[in-house]
Amino acid sequence: SQQGEEDPQALSIQEGENATMNCSYKTSINNLQWYRQNSGRGLVHLILIRSNEREKHSGRLRVTLDTSKKSSSLLITASRAADTASYFCATDDNKAAGNKLTFGGGTRVLVKP
Amino acid sequence: DAGVIQSPRHEVTEMGQEVTLRCKPISGHNSLFWYRQTMMRGLELLIYFNNNVPIDDSGMPEDRFSAKMPNASFSTLKIQPSEPRDSAVYFCASRKTGGDEKLFFGSGTQLSVL
Repeated sequence: SQQGEEDPQALSIQEGENATMNCSYKTSINNLQWYRQNSGRGLVHLILIRSNEREKHSGRLRVTLDTSKKSSSLLITASRAADTASYFCATDDNKAAGNKLTFGGGTRVLVKP
Repeated sequence: DAGVIQSPRHEVTEMGQEVTLRCKPISGHNSLFWYRQTMMRGLELLIYFNNNVPIDDSGMPEDRFSAKMPNASFSTLKIQPSEPRDSAVYFCASRKTGGDEKLFFGSGTQLSVL
């Protein structure tokens, strides 16, 4: 079963615009991570935000986390055609036996030049 | 660092045949995950290991699926017998617990069961 659910499922924007996608989850977490997947490739880690953090930045990426609402958002600013990919949130659950990383359904982002 | 290495990259087999997928995690990583990705079900966690021990295999769809990790540098995912609905991309990923917690993925095995 999927822990995180992304919204929207697909997003089409023009180069230079911002892209925002959201992730909701169900159980308590240690951290939440965002990954990117280009077509036909494995996922690549983008950014991690811990449960005691509210916002984090990395280059053109901005991630927020609201643990009271069990939701996170990923903002990509000044998008480029090379940002075209699928983006996934992943929740790292809070278990002593070894944390399980569960992915959502992903958001497909198309950046048109 | 060679990254997570999966083999084969592509596998085409006939229904009923045994399929074995292989994974070599990044040296020093002590957690290993097997995922399956399809258009219909997205990215599903099948099983994960910590220090070579299976921790949670609740995602393994049926008894036809089995996974082993005989040592820290090798894991297999076996499907016997395979069925057309097993067609998917299978990813292996590894990380070091207690580190920065990010997961490193292999390139995946594209499995087609005819």
